[in-house]
Amino acid sequence: GDSVTQMEGPVTLSEEAFLTINCTYTATGYPSLFWYVQYPGEGLQLLLKATKADDKGSNKGFEATYRKETTSFHLEKGSVQVSDSAVYFCALLYNNNDMRFGAGTRLTVKP
Amino acid sequence: GAGVSQSPSNKVTEKGKDVELRCDPISGHTALYWYRQRLGQGLEFLIYFQGNSAPDKSGLPSDRFSAERTGESVSTLTIQRTQQEDSAVYLCASSLVSGGYEQYFGPGTRLTVT
Repeated sequence: GDSVTQMEGPVTLSEEAFLTINCTYTATGYPSLFWYVQYPGEGLQLLLKATKADDKGSNKGFEATYRKETTSFHLEKGSVQVSDSAVYFCALLYNNNDMRFGAGTRLTVKP
Repeated sequence: GAGVSQSPSNKVTEKGKDVELRCDPISGHTALYWYRQRLGQGLEFLIYFQGNSAPDKSGLPSDRFSAERTGESVSTLTIQRTQQEDSAVYLCASSLVSGGYEQYFGPGTRLTVT
């Protein structure tokens, strides 16, 4: 069945370091892909999304490109900040109403 | 405006007891979703409501789980005869319509079954 696999955490980086969180998916057809973020004590919120191959989603300095050839949607940021510390979830929408989420990757950014 | 709210934020219950979890979606959102998040794991889809259509219950793990929604407003998730493996954070989300629209999540209810 359709599923998402993302890199296990936790990930610990120093401020201004480069971030990559890997996400790959298995799906029939062409799902929409998402990154959600969960800040401490808060609910999940949409970070960015891409709805078709080669689309790039971007928000708050984060980017992810929908790569059909590698079935990937890796999250990147050039220079992380302490305020980026959170849990990041990769997800795919594989029919009209069901999203499949990865296990989440906890990021801690140290000053 | 107000986001998705859930209550209670925390619930501790004894094994075998029934619990009700409540979700208030964003006003005007026709789609409502329930997910379960076990410790260290991803979100597990439970059930989906869209307007007045029959809900998609395909994710409910057993017949001890049920959910209701009144029109396009409040939803309650009921777990009967709770078991320790039911311990998790239960998340509710709503969206304007289904199919690719952003889901807005509530803060969740942390359920602990002792």
